[in-house]
Amino acid sequence: AQTVTQSQPEMSVQEAETVTLSCTYDTSESDYYLFWYKQPPSRQMILVIRQEAYKQQNATENRFSVNFQKAAKSFSLKISDSQLGDAAMYFCAYTPTNTGNQFYFGTGTSLTVIP
Amino acid sequence: DAGVTQSPTHLIKTRGQQVTLRCSPKSGHDTVSWYQQALGQGPQFIFQYYEEEERQRGNFPDRFSGHQFPNYSSELNVNALLLGDSALYLCSSSSPGLAPDTQYFGPGTRLTVL
Repeated sequence: AQTVTQSQPEMSVQEAETVTLSCTYDTSESDYYLFWYKQPPSRQMILVIRQEAYKQQNATENRFSVNFQKAAKSFSLKISDSQLGDAAMYFCAYTPTNTGNQFYFGTGTSLTVIP
Repeated sequence: DAGVTQSPTHLIKTRGQQVTLRCSPKSGHDTVSWYQQALGQGPQFIFQYYEEEERQRGNFPDRFSGHQFPNYSSELNVNALLLGDSALYLCSSSSPGLAPDTQYFGPGTRLTVL
């Protein structure tokens, strides 16, 4: 079974500080992609960052970076210099490369940014 | 260039009724996937359409069916609605030749079953 687990239902961070959201996954596949999506109250899923499993280098996108530990099946998201606009639900997602883009999502982490 | 669009935005139905949700993919995309997102949960994969055929299906009963049209737009039909079908229904589009991060999501349709 392919599952994605986010163990932090809620997180909060002071504006301009750094926060890390956790994600673990279970799969027997060797080739896959991992993602973090942001879902603000507008409900639109917005891609934050992606990681190919075959790449050892952690992905970064401006203030967002990941810590990808393939052996541990761990994929955490670090948000640096947090901004009020970062407040949203964050979902970790996984897709094997052989399923035609079927995504498996975690249950989400609600991030609050405190001014 | 319009992204993925969905209609309607909100919908209220009663138990036992049938509902049809619609999705137009992003320009250039030919694959449409549907997800159900219950309150407080992550999206769950329902099925995927490519070349007007259902290519993959998640763990959903046959009450959930779909269709894809020649212009790649898609419909999700749910028959004999149950209270538990109340959720946000998300549509996403992609193209097999593109990397998975080119999967775009629509704003969703909020379905309430009373």
